[in-house]
Amino acid sequence: GENVEQHPSTLSVQEGDSAVIKCTYSDSASNYFPWYKQELGKRPQLIIDIRSNVGEKKDQRIAVTLNKTAKHFSLHITETQPEDSAVYFCAADPTGGGNKLTFGTGTQLKVEL
Amino acid sequence: DGGITQSPKYLFRKEGQNVTLSCEQNLNHDAMYWYRQDPGQGLRLIYYSQIVNDFQKGDIAEGYSVSREKKESFPLTVTSAQKNPTAFYLCASRSFTGTDTQYFGPGTRLTVL
Repeated sequence: GENVEQHPSTLSVQEGDSAVIKCTYSDSASNYFPWYKQELGKRPQLIIDIRSNVGEKKDQRIAVTLNKTAKHFSLHITETQPEDSAVYFCAADPTGGGNKLTFGTGTQLKVEL
Repeated sequence: DGGITQSPKYLFRKEGQNVTLSCEQNLNHDAMYWYRQDPGQGLRLIYYSQIVNDFQKGDIAEGYSVSREKKESFPLTVTSAQKNPTAFYLCASRSFTGTDTQYFGPGTRLTVL
């Protein structure tokens, strides 16, 4: 089955700096890669996703890049703000339809003032 | 997200007892999922269902059972065979039309004493 590794497990940045979270996956059939944000005590919420036919996707301060050859994808957050503090999870899906997600172990991002 | 509800929010049970967690959605979503979340381990898929009266095992199905008698409901039973049931349980749902996004419920925190 699919295996997703996520790094780092914790990340602390100063407000206004950029943050990068990296994930690698094992199943070359994976073609759908969502990123979820989970604030303390709340449900995970999708913040951005990318499919394998696209190398990069942006949404305001958030971007995701995908390298299919190396089987890794990354989340980039620019101009970080205190409200970006949360746990971020990457996931991969070899079925292509968002049906069987394998999640990474999460990154605790702390944005300090 | 408000269309997916889980109850109760907190649940305490004695060791050896079966317990059923509720998940309901009014989004007319086709597929529903159950995940378990433990500290430092991300989300792991327990069971999922793509259609009424049909469901598939996820990565950690042992000690759990589900049913899908109605499209909007997907209850999870944690049986006494589950060796370490204390965890945060998240339900999710997804539509087969539009995006592949899985939307999560607020979760149930189960503590077995």
